[in-house]
Amino acid sequence: AQTVTQSQPEMSVQEAETVTLSCTYDTSESNYYLFWYKQPPSRQMILVIRQEAYKQQNATENRFSVNFQKAAKSFSLKISDSQLGDTAMYFCAFMKRGGSNYKLTFGKGTLLTVNP
Amino acid sequence: DTAVSQTPKYLVTQMGNDKSIKCEQNLGHDTMYWYKQDSKKFLKIMFSYNNKELIINETVPNRFSPKSPDKAHLNLHINSLELGDSAVYFCASSQGVSGGPGETQYFGPGTRLLVL
Repeated sequence: AQTVTQSQPEMSVQEAETVTLSCTYDTSESNYYLFWYKQPPSRQMILVIRQEAYKQQNATENRFSVNFQKAAKSFSLKISDSQLGDTAMYFCAFMKRGGSNYKLTFGKGTLLTVNP
Repeated sequence: DTAVSQTPKYLVTQMGNDKSIKCEQNLGHDTMYWYKQDSKKFLKIMFSYNNKELIINETVPNRFSPKSPDKAHLNLHINSLELGDSAVYFCASSQGVSGGPGETQYFGPGTRLLVL
């Protein structure tokens, strides 16, 4: 079974600064995906970024980038130029690739507050 | 233009009642899911359907019964509601195709269920 650990229950950052959220996972699979989802106070789950495990290049989406270390089973999210709208709960998630079992296994989340 | 929609958004009911939550997606996806988010914000898969066929059933009490009348709809019926069923229930969908972006899951807005 896969497990996902987010060791920082809460973090805060000043507007315009950079913050990194940590995520580690445990799996015996070699083919998988990793995701970061964001849940603002509106409760909507929004996909932030995804990473295919077979790709060595780190994924980026505008101000969001990841540091994917496959050997260390680490998948951190870096948010640059933080904005007030980035205030949200951030969830790291794992999904095994292939077959028909596409379930997401989530970490417990990190509550990020961006301060003005 | 909502991609994944759920009704109702809020549901307050008494213990012992039976209730349903409906989910619809207009993305043309083949796979749909139900996740439960508890009071500590932890998200866990409950069910997954691929083309109206049950794929995942994760140790959920049999008071919970999903129904997929067609691949665009996945409803969740809950019998004999208990206090512990209070949670936010999220519907999600994905293309369900192995490999590539087709395995990314997109979430509905959630249904907050409160059992009194």
